[in-house]
Amino acid sequence: AQTVTQSQPEMSVQEAETVTLSCTYDTSESNYYLFWYKQPPSRQMILVIRQEAYKQQNATENRFSVNFQKAAKSFSLKISDSQLGDTAMYFCAFMKLFSSGSARQLTFGSGTQLTVLP
Amino acid sequence: NAGVTQTPKFQVLKTGQSMTLQCAQDMNHNSMYWYRQDPGMGLRLIYYSASEGTTDKGEVPNGYNVSRLNKREFSLRLESAAPSQTSVYFCASGRTVQETQYFGPGTRLLVL
Repeated sequence: AQTVTQSQPEMSVQEAETVTLSCTYDTSESNYYLFWYKQPPSRQMILVIRQEAYKQQNATENRFSVNFQKAAKSFSLKISDSQLGDTAMYFCAFMKLFSSGSARQLTFGSGTQLTVLP
Repeated sequence: NAGVTQTPKFQVLKTGQSMTLQCAQDMNHNSMYWYRQDPGMGLRLIYYSASEGTTDKGEVPNGYNVSRLNKREFSLRLESAAPSQTSVYFCASGRTVQETQYFGPGTRLLVL
């Protein structure tokens, strides 16, 4: 079974600064996806970024980027130029891929509460 | 384009009562999912439907049933609610089971 660990329950950052959220995972799979989802106080789960394990290049989406270290099974999220609207719970998630094409299941970490301070 | 919608937003039940949580998506997605989120934890998969006409158990299916009514709608039923089912329930959909999942706004359920 896969496990996803987010070792930072809470973090804070000053507005306009950069912050990095950590995520590690444990799997014996070689083909998988990794995700960061954001959950603001509204509780909506919003996709932030996705990384395919077969891609060596780190994914980026505007101010959000990841540092994907496959050998170390590490997948951190960097938020640049932090904004007040970035305040949310951030979840790292893992999805394994089966060659048979059967359904994938998302495994979530326990989350990191990020607060952006004015 | 509303994405994934869920009803109700909030519900209070007494132990033993039944209810159905509704989910609909307008993105023409094939796969749909039901998750629950408990305090201090990530989401856990209850049931999923890889395509219209199929449903399968996830990580925590006990006490729940699902129906994939059509391609758009996927409902979750609690036949006899228990306090342990107090949680926030999220529905999600994806173009296929190999694709990114997009989530609805969630339903807060309190079982007394």
